[in-house]
Amino acid sequence: AQTVTQSQPEMSVQEAETVTLSCTYDTSESNYYLFWYKQPPSRQMILVIRQEAYKQQNATENRFSVNFQKAAKSFSLKISDSQLGDTAMYFCAFFFGNEKLTFGTGTRLTIIP
Amino acid sequence: SQTIHQWPATLVQPVGSPLSLECTVEGTSNPNLYWYRQAAGRGLQLLFYSVGIGQISSEVPQNLSASRPQDRQFILSSKKLLLSDSGFYLCAWSTGRGLGHEQYFGPGTRLTVT
Repeated sequence: AQTVTQSQPEMSVQEAETVTLSCTYDTSESNYYLFWYKQPPSRQMILVIRQEAYKQQNATENRFSVNFQKAAKSFSLKISDSQLGDTAMYFCAFFFGNEKLTFGTGTRLTIIP
Repeated sequence: SQTIHQWPATLVQPVGSPLSLECTVEGTSNPNLYWYRQAAGRGLQLLFYSVGIGQISSEVPQNLSASRPQDRQFILSSKKLLLSDSGFYLCAWSTGRGLGHEQYFGPGTRLTVT
């Protein structure tokens, strides 16, 4: 079974700085998908970014980018020019073939004004 | 565009009472549907998922059940609530087809069992 590990329960950073959230996963599969979700205080889960494992190029969405290291099974999220609205729980998630997402336990990120 | 609705937004129920949470999706057909529970400050636990009408897969044995009476409707139920059923319940959908497989979540229902 696949597992997803987020080793940073909490992080904080000053507004406008860059922060990187870590995620590692364990799988024997070669074609899969990885996602980062954001859960703000409203608790609605919002998809931030996705990465297909067969693509070597790292995904980017505006201020959000990932560092996907397939061999190391690492999938970190970088938030540039952090904003107060980025304060949220961030969940890393893995998907392979069986219609189910496997989520990590989350990282609580606080942006300090 | 697709929209997912959940209701009610908040619910307080006594132990032993029944439960019915509803989730509907608009703007897509034959979606995969999911129910998750999230305890305070914790990650998401997948409870049920459905790839079609009447098809329900259960992930964990528990006091809850799910049904999919229509293509875009997913219902979470219980005959008798337990204190441990308290939590935040999220419904999600995905296309389940082609690339992506990302899931899109509803606004959630906060359930407190007293």
